[in-house]
Amino acid sequence: GAGVSQSPSNKVTEKGKDVELRCDPISGHTALYWYRQSLGQGLEFLIYFQGNSAPDKSGLPSDRFSAERTGGSVSTLTIQRTQQEDSAVYLCASSFGTPYGYTFGSGTRLTVV
Amino acid sequence: GENVEQHPSTLSVQEGDSAVIKCTYSDSASNYFPWYKQELGKRPQLIIDIRSNVGEKKDQRIAVTLNKTAKHFSLHITETQPEDSAVYFCAETGANNLFFGTGTRLTVIP
Repeated sequence: GAGVSQSPSNKVTEKGKDVELRCDPISGHTALYWYRQSLGQGLEFLIYFQGNSAPDKSGLPSDRFSAERTGGSVSTLTIQRTQQEDSAVYLCASSFGTPYGYTFGSGTRLTVV
Repeated sequence: GENVEQHPSTLSVQEGDSAVIKCTYSDSASNYFPWYKQELGKRPQLIIDIRSNVGEKKDQRIAVTLNKTAKHFSLHITETQPEDSAVYFCAETGANNLFFGTGTRLTVIP
């Protein structure tokens, strides 16, 4: 596609429910990244995928968070048993395999009520 | 590295004046330093970047300087315009993913 596509753009969920956030990177980009941005805060690194290599999960805040990337393209970030502190904008970015020139998606605004 | 400090957190300038935002980092292996601009409700967008073999880079009204010895880098915006109002993030990496500063909210007063 022309850019990084994320869906849904907004998600409201009840505390304790599971949610799935989707990211469709730019075609040809081998690297995909997930970040979390809380209101008025910076970008917190969550997880990084590069080609067929094992993902770097070092930023995931708890075992309730997991992510997959199927076929080297689309990625899904799953949050189980959501908590109110999970409320944030979840941003996905992709690149040609290096950190140079990330392109971000528009994000998914998650609200846990 | 994972420790990037960014200052100031907010900055207001009169239109036409210059704005400077500074970041410090701790990982001596860091070798790439981009700056992102995020307008309200929009995605962060890369505006300029610098690599560790360069001390300064300029693109029209925007410039970035890097001091590897002191481990700090700065964004300079000259002749500021209202459309420069946004949140600016610095970032750094010596590996595979970027670590971001906490952002600077720049307001340009017409």
